[in-house]
Amino acid sequence: RKEVEQDPGPFNVPEGATVAFNCTYSNSASQSFFWYRQDCRKEPKLLMSVYSSGNEDGRFTAQLNRASQYISLLIRDSKLSDSATYLCVVNVGTGANNLFFGTGTRLTVIP
Amino acid sequence: SQTIHQWPATLVQPVGSPLSLECTVEGTSNPNLYWYRQAAGRGLQLLFYSVGIGQISSEVPQNLSASRPQDRQFILSSKKLLLSDSGFYLCAWRHLRDRVSYGYTFGSGTRLTVV
Repeated sequence: RKEVEQDPGPFNVPEGATVAFNCTYSNSASQSFFWYRQDCRKEPKLLMSVYSSGNEDGRFTAQLNRASQYISLLIRDSKLSDSATYLCVVNVGTGANNLFFGTGTRLTVIP
Repeated sequence: SQTIHQWPATLVQPVGSPLSLECTVEGTSNPNLYWYRQAAGRGLQLLFYSVGIGQISSEVPQNLSASRPQDRQFILSSKKLLLSDSGFYLCAWRHLRDRVSYGYTFGSGTRLTVV
């Protein structure tokens, strides 16, 4: 079983829509969680960190459900510029190699 | 502030040729450094990581090698490239404080095409 699983999408939504992505993780010892954004042919960039139950930054809300072992990313009032691939990342333990990446969910916001 | 530099941005190399990609970090000391590869339309694959000078851990058997000659320098190499080595290569360093991870910062990547 993969450490991190995401729905690959693609999600095609109109401007102004609300869209949510889910990400499940397999290791209950996972400690911290991240959402990264990757634009086409660019490097991933940190979007949000999630250390407790959730985090909100403007139109973006990340929520953590430890009991069900999933994190979600909610984007409200979608903009064209939100079109990208969103990567879920899970930190398990304290070793040097304990960040696990999902394969990403692709979002396209349509005019 | 910390920055990570990676070059070149784009590379086209013939099969059988050598490869050397360089990554340097500024503004931090003793960083954990990582090399990832991303094939077209695929997820990130960890290739190597290093926790210090001369310390390299390999995650996937392959045609590549890595070296860390200096604290803030991480190099990815190959003696003879294969077509399957094509991809987007990303260097990353990791933020750690009190053993808590604050995620990675990635370099801008090298897009390698082996022809």
